Amino acid sequence: AQSVTQLGSHVSVSEGALVLLRCNYSSSVPPYLFWYVQYPNQGLQLLLKYTSAATLVKGINGFEAEFKKSETSFHLTKPSAHMSDAAEYFCAVSEQGDYKLSFGAGTTVTVRA
Amino acid sequence: SAVISQKPSRDICQRGTSLTIQCQVDSQVTMMFWYRQQPGQSLTLIATANQGSEATYESGFVIDKFPISRPNLTFSTLTVSNMSPEDSSIYLCSVVTGIDGHTIYFGEGSWLTVV
Repeated sequence: AQSVTQLGSHVSVSEGALVLLRCNYSSSVPPYLFWYVQYPNQGLQLLLKYTSAATLVKGINGFEAEFKKSETSFHLTKPSAHMSDAAEYFCAVSEQGDYKLSFGAGTTVTVRA
Repeated sequence: SAVISQKPSRDICQRGTSLTIQCQVDSQVTMMFWYRQQPGQSLTLIATANQGSEATYESGFVIDKFPISRPNLTFSTLTVSNMSPEDSSIYLCSVVTGIDGHTIYFGEGSWLTVV
């Protein structure tokens, strides 16, 4: 069974500052890991994914994440926050080949001008 | 990427009624899933929609409440039966596709309010 812990339900950053969203997972088998973003009143948009290739994954909108097996982490970063990054972010995990996602509780990002 | 269309996008439903949500994908996909997102919450997997056979339900979800059909590789429906206000949620369809076969996309969701 898999589970995901997102540290921090709310993160507030200044425009231009680093965005760091933390995600730790537990899985008894090698995982696939995903980050999704949900803008207000919208569905989920895939930001990036790790599926056992390169451990540093680059996604859309300047986001990237690094898979660290030893730390069971998949933290999401963006060097410079933009006002348009204000949204809810979800980390999710599945077993390889299973594709049933277990989601974290989500992190709400607000960006201060 | 896959284009996933869900209908209806929003609806207000009367208590005790049933509503069927449709999910249409613009290409054939092997795997389709249905998720629920209750207000202010994260997403929970309801079931795997199996093409040509009965859906596989997760713990806490039953076929009588959430019957699912998947007649082909591009289409699925989820019915929310005998609705109560607790069923007010966003229901999302997801598919597995992509060049590498490992990408999971979501539809825009169907926002149901039960009154």
